[in-house]
Parts: sequence; C-alpha cells; structure tokens
Amino acid sequence: SQKIEQNSEALNIQEGKTATLTCNYTNYSPAYLQWYRQDPGRGPVFLLLIRENEKEKRKERLKVTFDTTLKQSLFHITASQPADSATYLCALRYQAGTALIFGKGTTLSVSS
Amino acid sequence: GAVVSQHPSWVICKSGTSVKIECRSLDFQATTMFWYRQFPKQSLMLMATSNEGSKATYEQGVEKDKFLINHASLTLSTLTVTSAHPEDSSFYICSATRSGYEQYFGPGTRLTVT
Repeated sequence: SQKIEQNSEALNIQEGKTATLTCNYTNYSPAYLQWYRQDPGRGPVFLLLIRENEKEKRKERLKVTFDTTLKQSLFHITASQPADSATYLCALRYQAGTALIFGKGTTLSVSS
Repeated sequence: GAVVSQHPSWVICKSGTSVKIECRSLDFQATTMFWYRQFPKQSLMLMATSNEGSKATYEQGVEKDKFLINHASLTLSTLTVTSAHPEDSSFYICSATRSGYEQYFGPGTRLTVT
C-alpha cells in the first residue's frame, strides 16, 4: 500500500529563516500532490497543488517542488514568521474525484 | 473561494447514543464528499467517499453500520455515529470537491463519548 512520510514530526526555526519540509512517498507517483496547513482543532486549509508533470510551484513566500524520480516533494516557507507556526500536511491524489491520502504532518514552530 | 461548514463543531454524548454530524458546501455543488477521522497527533484517515444519491464507499476497516453516511443533496452530507463508544471519540472532518481536483475541508467536529 502507498506510504507517505513527512521527514520529521517537529521542526523549530528562527523567524526570518527558510523552513523546508519533506514529503516522501512509496510506489507509483500521484497525479497531484498538495500541501495543507492545519491549526490545532481546525480542518486543513489548502496551500498549494503541484501536478506530476510540474517541477515547481510558487505562491508568495511558499514554494513546492516535486521530484518523481526521488518520489519526493519539498515545501519551503521563506522569511518565516511566528504566524507560520502550524502543522503542515502533505497529501496525494491519484486521479480526479478520488480522496486525498495524507501524511502525518510536520509541526513547524517559528520563534521570534 | 469554496466554503464547507460542519455542524456541530463539538459534541459530547453518552456511550450508547447516536450522534449526527452535518457537512454542507455553502457556495458550490459538491459532486463528491469525503469523511475523515483524525486522532491526536495522527494523520487524517479516510473513512468513506460519498456521491450524491448513491451509497457511500467505505474504507477497509470502517464499519458501515456504525458510521451511517447520507448524501441527500449536492450540498449536504451527514455522518451518523450509531451506538457511540469512548473509542469513537475523535476529530471528524468532512471535505467536498466540485471538479474532482480541489478538495475543500470543513472546520471539523470534535466528538467526545463519555
């Protein structure tokens, strides 16, 4: 069965630095890979989507890369701020209309 | 943007009773809705997929007679936890998709069974 691993449970960085989160998966590559933010006691909020034929996507301070050879996605937050502190979830979708499969998430803490 | 609501946001019930959770897509028609469950410090686990007007498809290990899903319209799906037990205490999250690509999540419902 498909496994999704997010490199660490927790990541602590200082304000202003770049946070890099890793998502690795086994087996075949998904059609879409998405990143979500989840705050305690809340549902996930969509951040970015990248398709299997795309290498990189950017949105403001966020950047996602997708390497189907390595079976890995990297999620970067540049110039991080304390308000970026949250759990970030990697999710895969294999075809349109099917459910997302989630990793466990990485909890990011940005200290000022 | 697409908004998904859930009601209630939290509920406490006694063991043996049933609880209904509603999921609504407020500004779009959802072709498919999904129900997830999340335990503390765990990933979101898919419970079932439901399409309007048809029976839900449950994931392996999820009891369909215990977790009843009704998807009566393109904007409403309900999850009923029947004969709830303390081990059913969890965070239940629904999501909806309109085009099959984006998936929008509700704010979640915290269920505590005493």
